[in-house]
Amino acid sequence: GENVEQHPSTLSVQEGDSAVIKCTYSDSASNYFPWYKQELGKRPQLIIDIRSNVGEKKDQRIAVTLNKTAKHFSLHITETQPEDSAVYFCAASMNTSGTYKYIFGTGTRLKVLA
Amino acid sequence: DSGVTQTPKHLITATGQRVTLRCSPRSGDLSVYWYQQSLDQGLQFLIQYYNGEERAKGNILERFSAQQFPDLHSELNLSSLELGDSALYFCASSVDAWTGAGNTIYFGEGSWLTVV
Repeated sequence: GENVEQHPSTLSVQEGDSAVIKCTYSDSASNYFPWYKQELGKRPQLIIDIRSNVGEKKDQRIAVTLNKTAKHFSLHITETQPEDSAVYFCAASMNTSGTYKYIFGTGTRLKVLA
Repeated sequence: DSGVTQTPKHLITATGQRVTLRCSPRSGDLSVYWYQQSLDQGLQFLIQYYNGEERAKGNILERFSAQQFPDLHSELNLSSLELGDSALYFCASSVDAWTGAGNTIYFGEGSWLTVV
């Protein structure tokens, strides 16, 4: 069935280092891939997204890359700061029985150590 | 502020009871999604409505039901509550259920449900 695998489940980096989170999706028809950041007890907030006709997108310290052939996409955070500490979710928009729905990854808890 | 409004923010109720969670989508959004997030868990998709009609169903229990009204607000009904139903319930909305590219969904602040 539809599935999005996300790795790693936890990630600790030193402040200033880079962090990379990877997701793999199963449905080749998926064509929209957002990333959400969720702080403790708060709502998931969209931080960046990429469409299937683009291979890479960057917004300041965050970037997302997409490999449609391999069906995986990654979130890259450079120059990490303590406020980047949160849970990050990837998602893939999939066509199921004629309608689109989102499948979320299981989340990555990022800790940026000062 | 995402523009998606959820009420109540917090709710404590006893096992066996029934509760209703309410969601108002962003202005102009036709699709509403409901997600369940248990402690330290991921986002479990429950159900999606588009312009009043059910569009997609996830892992929603038979004890749970939802609907979307003509004014596009949605309600999630949880009945015969069990301890394991304690979770944060998110509503999200988007403009178009049919457009896969760029169909960004925006989350509300969530409703914390505690079943005791």
